Amino acid sequence: KAGVTQTPRYLIKTRGQQVTLSCSPISGHRSVSWYQQTPGQGLQFLFEYFSETQRNKGNFPGRFSGRQFSNSRSEMNVSTLELGDSALYLCASSLSTNANTGELFFGEGSRLTVL
Amino acid sequence: AQKITQTQPGMFVQEKEAVTLDCTYDTSDPSYGLFWYKQPSSGEMIFLIYQGSYDQQNATEGRYSLNFQKARKSANLVISASQLGDSAMYFCAMRDGGRGGNKLTFGTGTQLKVEL
Repeated sequence: KAGVTQTPRYLIKTRGQQVTLSCSPISGHRSVSWYQQTPGQGLQFLFEYFSETQRNKGNFPGRFSGRQFSNSRSEMNVSTLELGDSALYLCASSLSTNANTGELFFGEGSRLTVL
Repeated sequence: AQKITQTQPGMFVQEKEAVTLDCTYDTSDPSYGLFWYKQPSSGEMIFLIYQGSYDQQNATEGRYSLNFQKARKSANLVISASQLGDSAMYFCAMRDGGRGGNKLTFGTGTQLKVEL
């Protein structure tokens, strides 16, 4: 059974550009959530999608957006990139959205460097 | 607000020994889930073990076990028979109920180094 797939794995952008990251969840999983990991702030929740609807959103500016398609694949977009957006972006998928059931599996991440 | 505390920034253990990584949590919701993940230097977040707040027994997965003490709000990870490949950063995380969905709150992590 294939795991969570994130593309691209590595990318370099310059300030002011935009970037789109993709996440394909485990087959059958309908929940996809995104996290940002930086040395200074640690792991922070960005947003979660379930059945194409955003269920929850973290405390990030509007430059960070996402969407989910009918096949559960998700994309996140960061516009007008800033140096501070350099981070590892992790996607996680889950079968359930129930807090008391179900594991959450992560992909290998997309490492974004903003110059 | 939910909070996860990992008080051990770094730990050393000898190969084949057992090691306990500490995690305490704070939530007012009776329904929640607790997770441990391993993150090697490659960056991938590897799922290790999960414990639901209503689970009666402590979770175990191979060499990993979760010492869940609900009254003390602790969820320590025990790794038995440590191996060199266990050297990595370990994160404790919580998913709480209500409208939290799959939003995880992470601790700051513990860097584990397994030595010969």
